[in-house]
Amino acid sequence: TQLLEQSPQFLSIQEGENLTVYCNSSSVFSSLQWYRQEPGEGPVLLVTVVTGGEVKKLKRLTFQFGDARKDSSLHITAAQPGDTGLYLCAGISISSGSARQLTFGSGTQLTVLP
Amino acid sequence: DAGVTQSPTHLIKTRGQHVTLRCSPISGHKSVSWYQQVLGQGPQFIFQYYEKEERGRGNFPDRFSARQFPNYSSELNVNALLLGDSALYLCASSRDYEQYFGPGTRLTVT
Repeated sequence: TQLLEQSPQFLSIQEGENLTVYCNSSSVFSSLQWYRQEPGEGPVLLVTVVTGGEVKKLKRLTFQFGDARKDSSLHITAAQPGDTGLYLCAGISISSGSARQLTFGSGTQLTVLP
Repeated sequence: DAGVTQSPTHLIKTRGQHVTLRCSPISGHKSVSWYQQVLGQGPQFIFQYYEKEERGRGNFPDRFSARQFPNYSSELNVNALLLGDSALYLCASSRDYEQYFGPGTRLTVT
């Protein structure tokens, strides 16, 4: 069974601070995605990283895929209250039935205080 | 275009009962996946269907079943409900490997 561990589980910071969320696995994934989920809603895709060592930037968010494609990080610069939410990483693997299966981490609940 | 829709939004059932959850994918998406998200955890993969055929199954008991219809909508059925089945059930549709999630159905088993 492929597992993804996220840390920290909870994070509460002040507006303007920087933060990093980590996603680690003992398994290799073909690609990895980061989602953000707000209460009462489904997860919304932020980014997909495919190549080992890849770095993608989305405004104040920077995503990195580890060289061995087993780990990833999400760095937020100058966090804002609107960044509050549950951040989920998800590894993509191909099942025996050719399904692209997502394995989610347990999530990091981020609260940005004004 | 409308996003993924799920019904009902909330549902309360008693242990031992059966439940059917419904999902309509984004127009043009032929693949539907179901996930269970227990409070405080990330979603767990239950099933994926593509063109009405099961393409993948997660580690869930046989009480869980699903099907996909010719219009690509899908149903998730759970029999003999247990208290531990209480969760948010998410449906996601996709055309390639980007999945788009619906708002979920909150199931409470008492």
